[in-house]
Amino acid sequence: EAAVTQSPRSKVAVTGGKVTLSCHQTNNHDYMYWYRQDTGHGLRLIHYSYVADSTEKGDIPDGYKASRPSQENFSLILELASLSQTAVYFCASSEGDRQYFGPGTRLTVL
Amino acid sequence: GDKVKQSPSALSLQEGTNSALRCNFSIAATTVQWFLQNPRGSLINLFYLVPGTKENGRLKSAFDSKESYSTLHIRDAQLEDSGTYFCAAEAGGSNAKLTFGKGTKLSVKS
Repeated sequence: EAAVTQSPRSKVAVTGGKVTLSCHQTNNHDYMYWYRQDTGHGLRLIHYSYVADSTEKGDIPDGYKASRPSQENFSLILELASLSQTAVYFCASSEGDRQYFGPGTRLTVL
Repeated sequence: GDKVKQSPSALSLQEGTNSALRCNFSIAATTVQWFLQNPRGSLINLFYLVPGTKENGRLKSAFDSKESYSTLHIRDAQLEDSGTYFCAAEAGGSNAKLTFGKGTKLSVKS
């Protein structure tokens, strides 16, 4: 089973500040994804990537950037954090079929 | 409207009883995945389905792409089955992107 790790596990950020969330996977999966989960809701796709050095917009990309510098690493960047970006963020990886999730990062923007 | 609708939104079961969860799709789903988010927040992949049926222990899942629905049956419910169950669908040509439902919160009581 794929091992997906995320850092930090929780973070408090100030409005207008820059936030970087990191994801690392160790199973050589081509696909990586960033989702956000808001209380009482399912997951919504922010950005994804199917190859290093390339990223694609998901369903809710506004206010977020992504970076895939290597097959193993995928970052989510909030250039100007806003209150509405308070959520739990999950990273996932796959070979194009079953997705495996990291433990999540709880982000609070104050 | 929601592209993936889950029902019921919440469910309470006595230990040892059976239940069925359902997802209806308004997108042309080609594959379906079921996840359990446990009380600690971790997302566990239960099933990856093409049209057909799969079984794993006390869990059984079916996906009918023509009728646009999927079901998850839980037999002999145990306390550790508690959590929120999510289904997610991939539409054809979507580059392995998933659209999630809002989840069914299951509480198993002794």
